Amino acid sequence: GESVGLHLPTLSVQEGDNSIINCAYSNSASDYFIWYKQESGKGPQFIIDIRSNMDKRQGQRVTVLLNKTVKHLSLQIAATQPGDSAVYFCAERYQGAQKLVFGQGTRLTINP
Amino acid sequence: DSGVTQTPKHLITATGQRVTLRCSPRSGDLSVYWYQQSLDQGLQFLIQYYNGEERAKGNILERFSAQQFPDLHSELNLSSLELGDSALYFCASSVAPGEDEQFFGPGTRLTVL
Repeated sequence: GESVGLHLPTLSVQEGDNSIINCAYSNSASDYFIWYKQESGKGPQFIIDIRSNMDKRQGQRVTVLLNKTVKHLSLQIAATQPGDSAVYFCAERYQGAQKLVFGQGTRLTINP
Repeated sequence: DSGVTQTPKHLITATGQRVTLRCSPRSGDLSVYWYQQSLDQGLQFLIQYYNGEERAKGNILERFSAQQFPDLHSELNLSSLELGDSALYFCASSVAPGEDEQFFGPGTRLTVL
């Protein structure tokens, strides 16, 4: 069935540390994955994506890792800053489909 | 700013009423998506339109309907409202159906009393 979940609902990290947010998905037919960031009072904002033919993709301060063997997706944020405080959602798209299936979200808080 | 606009920003209404939420996609985007975000359900896909036609349907109730107009703006109509319909409603747009990146609007917060 449709199931994109997150291992941890909340994550607190020290400013300057690296953050790792995890996501499990259940549909092995998913071919595309996205991480979104949602700040309070705003809509989800695209961070980074990865296709199923890749296992790693890097952006500016962010890296997404995909492990298809265990159906696991992670978002790594380097040198976490106060502005990174938000809820982070993973989403998957089933092969051939157009809609995104979102996980429940992880709230990332930054301690000064 | 994603370029997607939604109105109104907030909406408070009573049970049994009907409301219309409006979305204008980014300039050049032909596909519009509607999502519902509630505390206990996360972001749920409702429906997608492309160039005026329905392309995909998700967990949208029969009390809800949507359409996309020739100028590409979209409206989501919610009728016979129930308390459980209180949520954030987001619109997203993309250049074409299945196009990877969807750009989200700021959302409409609906409160049903």
